[in-house]
Amino acid sequence: GQSLEQPSEVTAVEGAIVQINCTYQTSGFYGLSWYQQHDGGAPTFLSYNGLDGLEETGRFSSFLSRSDSYGYLLLQELQMKDSASYFCAVRDGGNYQLIWGAGTKLIIKP
Amino acid sequence: EAGVVQSPRYKIIEKKQPVAFWCNPISGHNTLYWYLQNLGQGPELLIRYENEEAVDDSQLPKDRFSAERLKGVDSTLKIQPAELGDSAVYLCASSFTGRLGERTDTQYFGPGTRLTVL
Repeated sequence: GQSLEQPSEVTAVEGAIVQINCTYQTSGFYGLSWYQQHDGGAPTFLSYNGLDGLEETGRFSSFLSRSDSYGYLLLQELQMKDSASYFCAVRDGGNYQLIWGAGTKLIIKP
Repeated sequence: EAGVVQSPRYKIIEKKQPVAFWCNPISGHNTLYWYLQNLGQGPELLIRYENEEAVDDSQLPKDRFSAERLKGVDSTLKIQPAELGDSAVYLCASSFTGRLGERTDTQYFGPGTRLTVL
């Protein structure tokens, strides 16, 4: 079957760095995406990795290792507004469908 | 630029009643998705449209759910009759797919419709 595994909840302190991991098992792989969703809000796109390595966008970075079927989202200089759920999603090459993880709830404490 | 628009934002109905959701995607986005999201879970694809064609509806419970995108722009998702287990957030998203099949992985989501079936 196809599955993505990510921790259900992560707690961190304001100003710190946090890493959210994602491992995947899918029939096809055409890239790993990360989305952020605040409570009651819509998922919003954060980053995409199609190739191995690190992609940096401001305070957020995302990493992919295709040989390990693994990726992570790194959030630096955490702010209270970063409290949200973070989803990893894999594009299944067969039909371009996104396979979504269950999400990681990030709790930030002052 | 306007984002993905959905209506209504909230809907409360009794079981066995019909309900419909409407979505207007971002202008120029030819791919439209309907997702269902339960609390504490990731979105689950119900149906994907490329223009007016439903190219992936394998996860749509066709006995009670239907969708249409007649002119390749806005779309409606209908449930008839609704069951208690249909209570969830229904998300619409859109993305762009080029004529040569190139596409981006970025999906733009609307605010969703929170459905409560009593």
